[in-house]
Amino acid sequence: AQTVTQSQPEMSVQEAETVTLSCTYDTSESDYYLFWYKQPPSRQMILVIRQEAYKQQNATENRFSVNFQKAAKSFSLKISDSQLGDAAMYFCAYLPRGSNYKLTFGKGTLLTVNP
Amino acid sequence: DVKVTQSSRYLVKRTGEKVFLECVQDMDHENMFWYRQDPGLGLRLIYFSYDVKMKEKGDIPEGYSVSREKKERFSLILESASTNQTSMYLCASSTPGTGYQETQYFGPGTRLLVL
Repeated sequence: AQTVTQSQPEMSVQEAETVTLSCTYDTSESDYYLFWYKQPPSRQMILVIRQEAYKQQNATENRFSVNFQKAAKSFSLKISDSQLGDAAMYFCAYLPRGSNYKLTFGKGTLLTVNP
Repeated sequence: DVKVTQSSRYLVKRTGEKVFLECVQDMDHENMFWYRQDPGLGLRLIYFSYDVKMKEKGDIPEGYSVSREKKERFSLILESASTNQTSMYLCASSTPGTGYQETQYFGPGTRLLVL
């Protein structure tokens, strides 16, 4: 069974600094997708960034980028120039290609941004 | 933008009551999902549906049932609510396919308290 591990239950960062959230996963599949979702306090979960495993290039979305290491089964999220609005619970998730549904989530990392 | 809505943000019910949680999506997505979110446990899949009147059990279906009579609407039913079903319930939708189509989009969540 696939598992997703987020080893940092909580992280904090100073406003304008950079922070990296860790995620590792375990799978025997070769083709899959990886996602980072953000859930602000009492607000809707939204997609931050996604990566297709067959693409070697790391995904980037504005201040958010990933470091995807397929051999190491590692998928970390880097947030640059952190803003107060980045404070949220961040979930890493894994989806085998063609599975249609089986999205497996990590347990989340709570990010605090200090002014 | 994809919009997924849930009928209630907060709900308080008594033990033994029958509870309906409603979810509606406006993007003509085939797939719809119900998750349960608990602190320290991340998100766990209760049920999903890949078409009208079709459903499959997720990881924790016990104590729950679902109904999908129309493509845009997916209901989660607690036949006899119990205190251990106090939780945050998240609905999501996606469309089958490849690449980014398989991204799941989430509703705002319903926080259910069973007394």
